[in-house]
Amino acid sequence: LAKTTQPISMDSYEGQEVNITCSHNNIATNDYITWYQQFPSQGPRFIIQGYKTKVTNEVASLFIPADRKSSTLSLPRVSLSDTAVYYCLVGSSNTGKLIFGQGTTLQVKP
Amino acid sequence: DAGVIQSPRHEVTEMGQEVTLRCKPISGHDYLFWYRQTMMRGLELLIYFNNNVPIDDSGMPEDRFSAKMPNASFSTLKIQPSEPRDSAVYFCASSFGTGTIGYTFGSGTRLTVV
Repeated sequence: LAKTTQPISMDSYEGQEVNITCSHNNIATNDYITWYQQFPSQGPRFIIQGYKTKVTNEVASLFIPADRKSSTLSLPRVSLSDTAVYYCLVGSSNTGKLIFGQGTTLQVKP
Repeated sequence: DAGVIQSPRHEVTEMGQEVTLRCKPISGHDYLFWYRQTMMRGLELLIYFNNNVPIDDSGMPEDRFSAKMPNASFSTLKIQPSEPRDSAVYFCASSFGTGTIGYTFGSGTRLTVV
């Protein structure tokens, strides 16, 4: 499994765009980049996945440069309810198990 | 579907007692995972099953921990005897196939051993 590195914590204010970057220098050709979100007192939940370029859904956007050694999760106009821990994971359909790193704790302030 | 169901939501027990945590995965999912989360160590994978068979239990901390999956709709994680350092939130998750998406987590069981 490719190792990922992301900031331990970030602060933001309501209405701002938040970008969380994840480094994965040893990403393999078959690997996808996936982000999970965990609210306090809840289990993680899937938010977005991508392989290259840009992916957007109703929750977030994921930007992946051509070399795929990093990725950026973008949350548009965050609200207080976006306060959570965000995990970046790298793996393929043969990964076999989901291993979580320390994640990025996002605190959104009013 | 009601999602992954874990019970109990909270458990407080005395050191030395046996603790059993329960999980009902989503119907049709063929993989089941047990995780433990603490502030110090984050989310740790303890064990996972495929079609009710344990595949990897390398994350189980010691012999005091055991997990079973007698059928496709039920799994247990047992700690005997329990110790204060076992205090954590234990999550169960299930998925159809492996990879990095499609995992559904339960709400967790918060275990406190005093």
